[in-house]
Parts: sequence; structure tokens; C-alpha cells
Amino acid sequence: DAGVTQSPTHLIKTRGQQVTLRCSPKSGHDTVSWYQQALGQGPQFIFQYYEEEERQRGNFPDRFSGHQFPNYSSELNVNALLLGDSALYLCASILTGRNTEAFFGQGTRLTVV
Amino acid sequence: GNSVTQMEGPVTLSEEAFLTINCTYTATGYPSLFWYVQYPGEGLQLLLKATKADDKGSNKGFEATYRKETTSFHLEKGSVQVSDSAVYFCALGISSSNTGKLIFGQGTTLQVKP
Repeated sequence: DAGVTQSPTHLIKTRGQQVTLRCSPKSGHDTVSWYQQALGQGPQFIFQYYEEEERQRGNFPDRFSGHQFPNYSSELNVNALLLGDSALYLCASILTGRNTEAFFGQGTRLTVV
Repeated sequence: GNSVTQMEGPVTLSEEAFLTINCTYTATGYPSLFWYVQYPGEGLQLLLKATKADDKGSNKGFEATYRKETTSFHLEKGSVQVSDSAVYFCALGISSSNTGKLIFGQGTTLQVKP
């Protein structure tokens, strides 16, 4: 079992550009959540996808959007990048159910210059 | 609103010392509580959890008890090792049926010296 995999591991983008981050959930998991972790801070919930739809959303602007595919993998898209978008982006996969464990990937380090 | 507050770090201890990392929360309803650990360059790993008041979560020598009366979930370990050096995050989950939506504290860095 490969666990939760994210790609790429690092990338550098210029202000105003767009970026797409990818996540493959743990085998058998059907729900994906995305988090933003700024340097020295705890992760903040961006949104969650289940059955290819956004189910819950945190306090993030519409520049942040996502998608879930039929194989449960997911993408996070950020448009019009700002310097403040520089962070570690974490993907968590969950098997829907009561008190199940969320498994996190190693994250994608995004630097906006 | 829902929030988690952790003691500020870094916490620096000698090997075999006793560890306490304080965590308090504010939440509506009956949240689940978690401790996650993040080693350098890695993602988050679940360390332990408690799903209702007075539950004690434990793993790898770490323990935390869900105290509803004090809204706390302090992390403890009797004897830390150098390998425990990491960042520890306290988190709460509002819904037991949706553990993918978590609210995290700011994290506490633990440094254990030989």
C-alpha cells in the first residue's frame, strides 16, 4: 500500500500564475481533504471532496478550487497566485465512516516569488 | 467558533525527562480530539485520539485524556527519547462521521537532547 501520495514535492511559481497540485489517496479511501500549512503554523482546512463533489469548504477564497476524479484522486488548483499562498499543501485521505483515521501525504511545498 | 490552543514552543528536554504539552479547545457539540506528529520533511501522522469525554488515548508511550470539564487534551510521556523530536499538533474534529475536517493548533516543537 503506497499510502497517500502527492505531487510534485516542491515547486516554485511566479505571482499571478496558476498551479495544480495532485493527490492520490490511500487504497480504498474515498474522501480527500486539502490543507494549507504556512511556515510555523498548523494546517488549515481548505476543502473536502467526496463522490467527485466539494462537500465542505474552509475560509479560503474562490481562487482555490479542486476536483475529484472517479478513481478518488484529487487536484487542488490555485489561480492568481499571491506571495501569501507560499505554504506546504497537505492532502488527507479518509474512508468515509464513523471515527475513521485521516492519513496525510508528505505535502507539496509551494513557493510563490 | 471552534479553535485549538497549544502551548508555545520550542520545548527542550533531556532524554528520559517527563513531557507535557498543553492543549485546550473551544468547540460546540461533542468533538473528537487528536494529537498528530510531524517529523522533519514528512506529513502528519496520527499519534493518538479520543472520541468522548474521559477517554484516554495512548500510543508509543504517549497519553492524553479528554477532559470536558477543563476543555483540555494535554499530551504526556513519561520518558522522552531523542527520536521523539518533532512538531506535535493538537486537533479537533467536529463530526465523528467526518474526520477529514480537522481544526489544528499552531503546533509545538519538541527538541530532545541526549
